[in-house]
Parts: sequence; structure tokens; C-alpha cells
Amino acid sequence: AAGVIQSPRHLIKEKRETATLKCYPIPRHDTVYWYQQGPGQDPQFLISFYEKMQSDKGSIPDRFSAQQFSDYHSELNMSSLELGDSALYFCASSGQVDSYNEQFFGPGTRLTVL
Amino acid sequence: KQEVTQIPAALSVPEGENLVLNCSFTDSAIYNLQWFRQDPGKGLTSLLLIQSSQREQTSGRLNASLDKSSGRSTLYIAASQPGDSATYLCAVPGGATNKLIFGTGTLLAVQP
Repeated sequence: AAGVIQSPRHLIKEKRETATLKCYPIPRHDTVYWYQQGPGQDPQFLISFYEKMQSDKGSIPDRFSAQQFSDYHSELNMSSLELGDSALYFCASSGQVDSYNEQFFGPGTRLTVL
Repeated sequence: KQEVTQIPAALSVPEGENLVLNCSFTDSAIYNLQWFRQDPGKGLTSLLLIQSSQREQTSGRLNASLDKSSGRSTLYIAASQPGDSATYLCAVPGGATNKLIFGTGTLLAVQP
């Protein structure tokens, strides 16, 4: 069965650079969530999209932006990177076609800011 | 505001033991509860999802229970194996958009 795809899997950036993370949800899933997991921490919700519109926003810095495209894939854009942005970034998708809005997670993108 | 906690934070058991991981949440108005497994530096693998109308869900050696009224869920692992060593996270949807609120996790080590 198709799963959530994230790219790249690993990313190394310098401070003040920009990064773009991509997420391809499971086919027919209409909702995408982004989470950030710092070292030794539990995942924290950043932002979500439903049918290409932003549906919720968590503790996402103003330096970050995201969008969901017409093919339902989503991109998280991160600018002016800081050392503290080093983390695992997960994308999850869910949809009405699956039971009870279970969220399925991608493998994550490990971002390292030097 | 929904808060999710897990006890214990870490657990070490010998191979073959049955064990219980605990998850507590403060707001009982939840739609479902998910248990995840995470290997070090890796992604989140969904183990079980319990709907609010269910009391138990089973998958192989795993059994999860849910008591909404008391704000608790347990994950029971039977006949533990070294391959079960990982961090186990529970999560509940928060708000209208079902964003997940994660617990603090239990780091499990199963000794051969």
C-alpha cells in the first residue's frame, strides 16, 4: 500500500539559509499535517491543510510557511534557519476515505542546521 | 488545553515478560487515541488506533485499552522481545482539525 512520502530524507543547511521540505500524502487523503520533533522531545504540531486550505496552526515560527498544492502534496518552507531548527520534521496525512481520521506518518526529514 | 502524559518514562525488562505502558489525558472528549512506536532517529509507526466508542484494540502481541471517563489508555505487550525495544508514544486528536497531541513517551528496553 502507498505510504506518505517525504523528501529529502536528510538535509544539512547553514544558519540563515532556507530549506524546503516536501510531503506527498497517501492517495485520496485530503488532509496534511506537519510536526516538528526536536532531540529528545515528542512531536509538536506545526500546521495543517485540508483541501488545499490552511486548517490549523500551531507553534510555527513566522520564518516558516507552508502550502498544499492542487495535487495535495505539501511543502514546508523554512527561512533564516537557526540552530534550534535542527529537528526531525514529519508529515502525516489522513482522509475521509480511511476510518476515523487515522493519521499516517511519513519517514520524516532530518534537518541539521550548522 | 489537552495534556498527555505517559508513565513510566523508561522501562527495562527481561525478554519474555508481559508489560504495560500507561497513557493519561486531561480532556476526555477525544475522538480516538493512537499508539505509535519510534525507533531511535526514525519515523513514527502507527501500532493501534482505538476509536472513542471502543474499549480495546488488538494487533498480534499488542493490546490497547481505552477508558475515556478516567482519561487513560494502556498498551499491553505480551511476551516481550528485544525487537520491541523502542520509544512508545500515545497521541490524541486536539481541536476541530484533529491535530495530534503526543505524550512524553516511554523508552522501552527489552534485555535478551
